Amino acid sequence: QVTLRESGPALVKPTQTLTLTCTFSGFSLSTSGMCVSWIRQPPGKALEWLALIDWDDDKYYSTSLKTRLTISKDTSKNQVVLTMTNMDPVDTATYYCARFSSPNGMDVWGQGTTVTVSS
Amino acid sequence: EIVLTQSPGTLSLSPGERATLSCRASQSVSSSYLAWYQQKPGQAPRLLIYGASSRATGIPDRFSGSGSGTDFTLTISRLEPEDFAVYYCQQYGSSPTFGQGTKVEIK
Repeated sequence: QVTLRESGPALVKPTQTLTLTCTFSGFSLSTSGMCVSWIRQPPGKALEWLALIDWDDDKYYSTSLKTRLTISKDTSKNQVVLTMTNMDPVDTATYYCARFSSPNGMDVWGQGTTVTVSS
Repeated sequence: EIVLTQSPGTLSLSPGERATLSCRASQSVSSSYLAWYQQKPGQAPRLLIYGASSRATGIPDRFSGSGSGTDFTLTISRLEPEDFAVYYCQQYGSSPTFGQGTKVEIK
């Protein structure tokens, strides 16, 4: 059974750096074609793709956020970490991680973690 | 970046009716790397369709996807009570992007 779980702080202050961890099981990020992606959703708004890391350690970022994002993986721990710098109240959202493989799309999602940015 | 535009924004239908949701891309989506997701309040999105027309594991056959290039459609043949939700399209041929969503509500 494939599962993913996001963890991180529920509250961060403006200008701080957010660090989120996605811990997964049931698949290996060493397998060719396998990827993990981060997506966020502000309250009442649409989904926004943030970043992706693949089995070969290639990394891809949202054009609009790439200067603030860093994605990395620890294959031995089955974890993917996303950092976002210079947090702002508009970054308040539920953050999801999801397994991704082409051509199968994002087929399994974590339950999400809610992050509020406020002083 | 490929922009996806979904229409309509809201679809008001009754159980048993047919739902047709549209997703238009600002440029051609390579290899039909187009997916549809369903999201219910308080839940994570669920993959319904990938590759424009392939149903994900466990998805009922009342859900179908079609289209290529820049125009894609999700059809729900007969709405069940549990189908009232928000639906998002996503392209993943290049840097992934999502549409803004279509809400299917009970009329």
